Amino acid sequence: DQQVKQNSPSLSVQEGRISILNCDYTNSMFDYFLWYKKYPAEGPTFLISISSIKDKNEDGRFTVFLNKSAKHLSLHIVPSQPGDSAVYFCAASAQKGTYKYIFGTGTRLKVLA
Amino acid sequence: DGGITQSPKYLFRKEGQNVTLSCEQNLNHDAMYWYRQDPGQGLRLIYYSQIVNDFQKGDIAEGYSVSREKKESFPLTVTSAQKNPTAFYLCASSNRLAKNTQYFGPGTRLTVL
Repeated sequence: DQQVKQNSPSLSVQEGRISILNCDYTNSMFDYFLWYKKYPAEGPTFLISISSIKDKNEDGRFTVFLNKSAKHLSLHIVPSQPGDSAVYFCAASAQKGTYKYIFGTGTRLKVLA
Repeated sequence: DGGITQSPKYLFRKEGQNVTLSCEQNLNHDAMYWYRQDPGQGLRLIYYSQIVNDFQKGDIAEGYSVSREKKESFPLTVTSAQKNPTAFYLCASSNRLAKNTQYFGPGTRLTVL
């Protein structure tokens, strides 16, 4: 049973436009969420996080939205740049429990110049 | 510079041999983790350690072993009992005080011939 799902394996967006990456989760105990960016043969790089007490967190071109009732979060990248082309993973954790994070399967974003 | 190092970047072993992957961090993080990534899949947790001399199995611990004798180091041994050891292995660490945001090393690509 996959507790964190990224249903879109790939996404293509034109440079300068908005990229929206989606993530759904099933465990209502999750209260902290992260997004990572990963290039091939490299470790994931932390991008942005959000706590369940918030519904939005912004950092430069990256904004994460959390809809707790729908158990859904999304990462918005505006404007998209060719260097944003990578695989994006969302991860979820129940902070009051263990230190474990559950990762989604990733979405490959391609930003077209 | 603070960070997480994994060595080597690429590793080749014959089937039936045990192999140990190195992971070192100088971030003074309490927790360390090992993940495995296979093509088209997310990151799956192998083992994690919240404190020195203590570690817990993740979702796919069979065929692997770890030790945590020092805060800075969390080596992973891939034993001959692991049926499909060829994969990309990622080490991460986190600080409880930073909401456990995990920071990843560059990864080790293990190929068993």
